[in-house]
Parts: sequence; C-alpha cells; structure tokens
Amino acid sequence: KQEVTQIPAALSVPEGENLVLNCSFTDSAIYNLQWFRQDPGKGLTSLLLIQSSQREQTSGRLNASLDKSSGRSTLYIAASQPGDSATYLCAVSPQTGANNLFFGTGTRLTVIP
Amino acid sequence: NAGVMQNPRHLVRRRGQEARLRCSPMKGHSHVYWYRQLPEEGLKFMVYLQKENIIDESGMPKERFSAEFPKEGPSILRIQQVVRGDSAAYFCASSRQMVSGANVLTFGAGSRLTVL
Repeated sequence: KQEVTQIPAALSVPEGENLVLNCSFTDSAIYNLQWFRQDPGKGLTSLLLIQSSQREQTSGRLNASLDKSSGRSTLYIAASQPGDSATYLCAVSPQTGANNLFFGTGTRLTVIP
Repeated sequence: NAGVMQNPRHLVRRRGQEARLRCSPMKGHSHVYWYRQLPEEGLKFMVYLQKENIIDESGMPKERFSAEFPKEGPSILRIQQVVRGDSAAYFCASSRQMVSGANVLTFGAGSRLTVL
C-alpha cells in the first residue's frame, strides 16, 4: 500500500529565505505527483503536477523535482514571502492513472516578516 | 466560473444523528471524488463517482457511509448515526471526463463536521 511521508511537519523561516520541502513515497509505481497548498479553512490549490516521466516542473518561485526510482520529491520555494505561509501537501496517483490520490500529512510553513 | 461548491461549510451533529454533505462540481466536470481529512492526518480517498454511478468506493467505511451523484443536482455524502470519530473535514473534488491517464482535480473548500 502506498505511504506518503512529508518532512518536516512544520517549518518557520524568515522572509526572503529559500527553502525546501520534502516528500517521499513507498511505491514508485506512480502516474504523477502533485504539490498542493492548503490555507486554513479553505480548500486545496494545486501548485505543480509532475508526470512520472518528468524530472521537474517550475512555476514562478516554485520548483518541484521528482526522483521516481528513489521515491522522492522536493518542493523548492525561492525568496519566501509571508503570503507563502500555508500547509503544503504532496500527493501521488497510482500508475493505473486512477484519481484516488494518496496524500502526505503536509508541512506547515510559516514565513516570518 | 464558480469552482467546486460544498455546503454546508460547517455542520454540527449530535451522536446518532445523520449528516448530509453536498458537493456541486465545477461546470463541465462530470467526475466527483470525496476525501476525508481527520485531525492531524492526511487526506484519505473515500469514493469516486460519475453521474448515477459509483466507480470506486474502496475508501468508504463499510457501514453508515454512502454517496450518490444523481443525474440532476449535487453529489451527496451521507453519514448515518454519526459518532465522534466521524468529526473531520470532508473535501470534494471534481474533474473532467478522463480521456487518458489521471486528470487534474479541483478541490472544494471542504465541509467541517463536528460530532458532539
């Protein structure tokens, strides 16, 4: 059964710092991997989606990498801002392409002004 | 273009009562998914539906939980005889008809159920 782990569980950084969030998964037979952002009391916002054949995706100050064989992904946030404060979730979809995503428990990021 | 609409946003029930959570998918989306997020845990898949069909209910508890997505109207997640352990955030997501592979899901804001 797929298990998704995110480390650290919580992270506080001063504004302007670059940071890396980690995600690992036990079954490398995935179709894709997504990073989401969850704000308190709100839904999930998809940030980046990496297909299993890809190594990385970039959007603005965000860069996500995928090493499928080792079961790892990182989300790199450059020049962090207070507005980046949120919980970041990593989710993988099984190789069948089904949409029953397996989520990690998230990393709660606080960017201090 | 409204996103995925869930209501109620907050629901309080006493043990033994029924809870009904509703989800209207994005316009043009015909697939609906329900996920549950227990306190301090990650989101867990519950059920995947298309109009009038349950496609995958492998994540649904065997008892007290049911889901439907009728031809007309929103999808409904129904929890009968709620217990305190049902307290959680219930998220609905929708996607377009799958052509090949996994589609990108759009999530709603969630319905937070509290069982007293």
